[in-house]
Amino acid sequence: AQTVTQSQPEMSVQEAETVTLSCTYDTSENNYYLFWYKQPPSRQMILVIRQEAYKQQNATENRFSVNFQKAAKSFSLKISDSQLGDTAMYFCAFMLSGNTPLVFGKGTRLSVIA
Amino acid sequence: EPEVTQTPSHQVTQMGQEVILRCVPISNHLYFYWYRQILGQKVEFLVSFYNNEISEKSEIFDDQFSVERPDGSNFTLKIRSTKLEDSAMYFCASSVDPQETQYFGPGTRLLVL
Repeated sequence: AQTVTQSQPEMSVQEAETVTLSCTYDTSENNYYLFWYKQPPSRQMILVIRQEAYKQQNATENRFSVNFQKAAKSFSLKISDSQLGDTAMYFCAFMLSGNTPLVFGKGTRLSVIA
Repeated sequence: EPEVTQTPSHQVTQMGQEVILRCVPISNHLYFYWYRQILGQKVEFLVSFYNNEISEKSEIFDDQFSVERPDGSNFTLKIRSTKLEDSAMYFCASSVDPQETQYFGPGTRLLVL
């Protein structure tokens, strides 16, 4: 079974600074997808970024980028120029290729401080 | 931008009662999912649904749970006899195909008393 580990239960960052959230996963498969979802206080799950395992290039979405290290099974999220609206719970998630469910980590609570 | 919608946003029920949670997936999506999140815990998969049948279900999804697509737009999760431990946030998600991103609705917060 696949597992996702987020080792940082809580983090904080000053507004406009950069922060990196860690995620590692365990799988014996080669084809899969990785995601970061954001859950603000409203508790809605919002997709932040997606990475296909077959792509070597790290995904980027505006201020959000990932550092995908396939051999190390590591998938960290970097948030640049942090904004107060980035305050949320961030979940790393894994999905095997095919019609399979998402497997989530326990989340990292990020607080952006003014 | 199209989005997944869920109703109700909050539901309070007595233990042993039946509840139905409703979801309207994104219109061109064919794969539907239910997840739940007990307060303070991680999001857990319940069930996936495609072509009017369950594709996969977790061990959480026991005989008390059922899913249905009663018409062309709604996707429902029924809990037949709620238990205290069913209190959680229930998320519906949909995707256009299994390789694509699952988009989540805003959730239904269920409280069983």
